[in-house]
Amino acid sequence: RKEVEQDPGPFNVPEGATVAFNCTYSNSASQSFFWYRQDCRKEPKLLMSVYSSGNEDGRFTAQLNRASQYISLLIRDSKLSDSATYLCVFLNSGGSNYKLTFGKGTLLTVNP
Amino acid sequence: DTAVSQTPKYLVTQMGNDKSIKCEQNLGHDTMYWYKQDSKKFLKIMFSYNNKELIINETVPNRFSPKSPDKAHLNLHINSLELGDSAVYFCASSQQGQPELFFGEGSRLTVL
Repeated sequence: RKEVEQDPGPFNVPEGATVAFNCTYSNSASQSFFWYRQDCRKEPKLLMSVYSSGNEDGRFTAQLNRASQYISLLIRDSKLSDSATYLCVFLNSGGSNYKLTFGKGTLLTVNP
Repeated sequence: DTAVSQTPKYLVTQMGNDKSIKCEQNLGHDTMYWYKQDSKKFLKIMFSYNNKELIINETVPNRFSPKSPDKAHLNLHINSLELGDSAVYFCASSQQGQPELFFGEGSRLTVL
């Protein structure tokens, strides 16, 4: 089983739609979870952390299911500006070493 | 003010050549990284330095040699370039103990 597996996408949705991505991880020792966003030909940037109890940031909701080892990202009322690649990221740390493992990303295109 | 800056942004070179990419961060972070993003958009860690000390060295050919003259700089030298080295190389930094990575804009390397 791969370390990280993401919905392959691409997702093409109309403006205003609700869209959800899932991401599974194989290392049960993963300690922290994040969603990063990468615009075309740009660098990745942190979108939001994922907390055990689930968390919201405006139109974005992130959830974690440790039992099934997956995280999800829900985007409500999609905007054109949400078009990007969304990367799920897992953190494993040991001592002073922090290693972030990135998924391959899910491409989202929001259409007018 | 650019937080993480890397040069050059674009690099086109012939197989067998040696090239370097430089990275500097002005965020005061003590940990820096090199990531490689290949044509399939898979972002994979190569190296991590904490206060100039190598702490993560993934399975990377010996042709790749990172150098950290101080904690604000992490350069990447590549010897005997191969076609498979073509990718976007991202430098990143973080504060120890904090999982958020701040990426540079990437250096797109094309080996002909």
